Amino acid sequence: GAVVSQHPSWVICKSGTSVKIECRSLDFQATTMFWYRQFPKQSLMLMATSNEGSKATYEQGVEKDKFLINHASLTLSTLTVTSAHPEDSSFYICSETGNQETQYFGPGTRLLVL
Amino acid sequence: QKEVEQDPGPLSVPEGAIVSLNCTYSNSAFQYFMWYRQYSRKGPELLMYTYSSGNKEDGRFTAQVDKSSKYISLFIRDSQPSDSATYLCAMKEPAQKLVFGQGTRLTINP
Repeated sequence: GAVVSQHPSWVICKSGTSVKIECRSLDFQATTMFWYRQFPKQSLMLMATSNEGSKATYEQGVEKDKFLINHASLTLSTLTVTSAHPEDSSFYICSETGNQETQYFGPGTRLLVL
Repeated sequence: QKEVEQDPGPLSVPEGAIVSLNCTYSNSAFQYFMWYRQYSRKGPELLMYTYSSGNKEDGRFTAQVDKSSKYISLFIRDSQPSDSATYLCAMKEPAQKLVFGQGTRLTINP
């Protein structure tokens, strides 16, 4: 299956700062990537669909000005959590489509906002 | 009613047992069915992928899809402690987003 990396694997930041998370497709040119967040003992919640060269599509209830997504190349999508607050602490996971009907996930980024 | 229902467990079985994990769903338009394994603090790993109804086997893992009953299963034979993880079912319509079950936490006891 596809190989996806994320960086950083974990990050701790102060409230009010911005954090950027990178998602890279290592063996596949991904025109579409997805960003999820996951709270402890819960399933994955889709935040947005990242499209190469165009604006991301956000799910209902996700603030696009708070969670900035950039997909400038076929192998890199970034998620920036702007003015992070403690309630933004979560596990953020990106994925890419393999054969377009399944998804391969990255290892995740754990964000802790103090 | 959720689109996909999955018993969150936790499920605890002895090593070597056969494990049965299940999901039910309500959307008859789902065509693609997946099982993911997620270890603690890691991203989900694709285990099995099935299109439409039928069975698929890969080593100790067997996935079954019964579209008439809207029911999918994952069987793990000869379970090992390393199989201890959360198992997520997921499914989708063509060209639509993936819909996940809640995940079942499984522990295999040595």
